[in-house]
Amino acid sequence: EPEVTQTPSHQVTQMGQEVILRCVPISNHLYFYWYRQILGQKVEFLVSFYNNEISEKSEIFDDQFSVERPDGSNFTLKIRSTKLEDSAMYFCASSARRRGGQPQHFGDGTRLSIL
Amino acid sequence: KQEVTQIPAALSVPEGENLVLNCSFTDSAIYNLQWFRQDPGKGLTSLLLIQSSQREQTSGRLNASLDKSSGRSTLYIAASQPGDSATYLCAGEGDTDKLIFGTGTRLQVFP
Repeated sequence: EPEVTQTPSHQVTQMGQEVILRCVPISNHLYFYWYRQILGQKVEFLVSFYNNEISEKSEIFDDQFSVERPDGSNFTLKIRSTKLEDSAMYFCASSARRRGGQPQHFGDGTRLSIL
Repeated sequence: KQEVTQIPAALSVPEGENLVLNCSFTDSAIYNLQWFRQDPGKGLTSLLLIQSSQREQTSGRLNASLDKSSGRSTLYIAASQPGDSATYLCAGEGDTDKLIFGTGTRLQVFP
């Protein structure tokens, strides 16, 4: 069964450094998402992306965050200057359709640790 | 603003029991309600999705129902097994397609 793939599984970075988290969504999906989960807390929406544009972003997704689909397969989340509070599990998800009874499929996540 | 709550927060049962996990949401204007399983340190596995026009969905020993008018969804697990031990999350998809997650129910099934 097709799946969403995320790399790396764990990233350790010094505060202030840039990080890029990578995702390969399911190949025929058109809608892409990033969520995060701080340890012990709810999964939170960050951003949705469709047709090479951001569809919606949350308050968390400030100027330090950006997303890109550099080619036909990858979907990336960049954090420009990381802060301690960015430490979390970051999940990528993809879906074939909006509101059409198609589920969002999630990857295994990237655990980001900021030192 | 949509809020999603799950009760109970944790549940420990002997193998073989039938279980009900509860999910409530404040805004009845949802399009889809999705149930996930999360194993420790792992990603989210989609279990069931119920569209707003549906009342329930079944997959094997799992049955999920949706009552929009009361703002509730339940996940029923029949004949629980130790392998069902995990955290179960529900998430509502509203007017935009972002998912709003509950805090989860941590289930432990012991032999």
